[in-house]
Amino acid sequence: NAGVMQNPRHLVRRRGQEARLRCSPMKGHSHVYWYRQLPEEGLKFMVYLQKENIIDESGMPKERFSAEFPKEGPSILRIQQVVRGDSAAYFCASSPGVGSYNEQFFGPGTRLTVL
Amino acid sequence: GENVEQHPSTLSVQEGDSAVIKCTYSDSASNYFPWYKQELGKRPQLIIDIRSNVGEKKDQRIAVTLNKTAKHFSLHITETQPEDSAVYFCAAAFTGNQFYFGTGTSLTVIP
Repeated sequence: NAGVMQNPRHLVRRRGQEARLRCSPMKGHSHVYWYRQLPEEGLKFMVYLQKENIIDESGMPKERFSAEFPKEGPSILRIQQVVRGDSAAYFCASSPGVGSYNEQFFGPGTRLTVL
Repeated sequence: GENVEQHPSTLSVQEGDSAVIKCTYSDSASNYFPWYKQELGKRPQLIIDIRSNVGEKKDQRIAVTLNKTAKHFSLHITETQPEDSAVYFCAAAFTGNQFYFGTGTSLTVIP
């Protein structure tokens, strides 16, 4: 049973470019969470999605950031017109869903570097 | 929203000693409290969790205690080993919702 998959593992972008991060949840998991971790800091919640629905995006900046979890395929976190402050590790986590256990299983992360 | 505070930010112990990390939370609705271990450059790994209907949980050398009245919970690691060295994060959540993480504790176990 494969764990949470993220790609790419490392991503380098120049200022103004777009970054697209992908997350495939564990098999059978329908809930995806994205977190951002700045160097030597904790994990900050960004957005919580279920298939085709954004449940909570209160942690995501209003501009330049968007997320989706389509019916088919991975969840995508998209950052437009990246700036140096976007450099961080982006982790996604998945869980089976509400009503079941809360455990969230993390992917290996995507380390974004903005030059 | 929820606010989780974690102390200490760094902790050094001699191999074989115990380590204790403490967290407080603000939202009394939170009912799930996981602890994650993150090694350098790796993903956070769940090591133990506790739900609000339980006061204590133990798994070999690791234990977690929860005081709902005071809104604090703690991680206890006994007989520490060098491989326990990592950053530990506590978190609080309400069923099915996002985790609110503490700022992390960097634990160093000195051989």
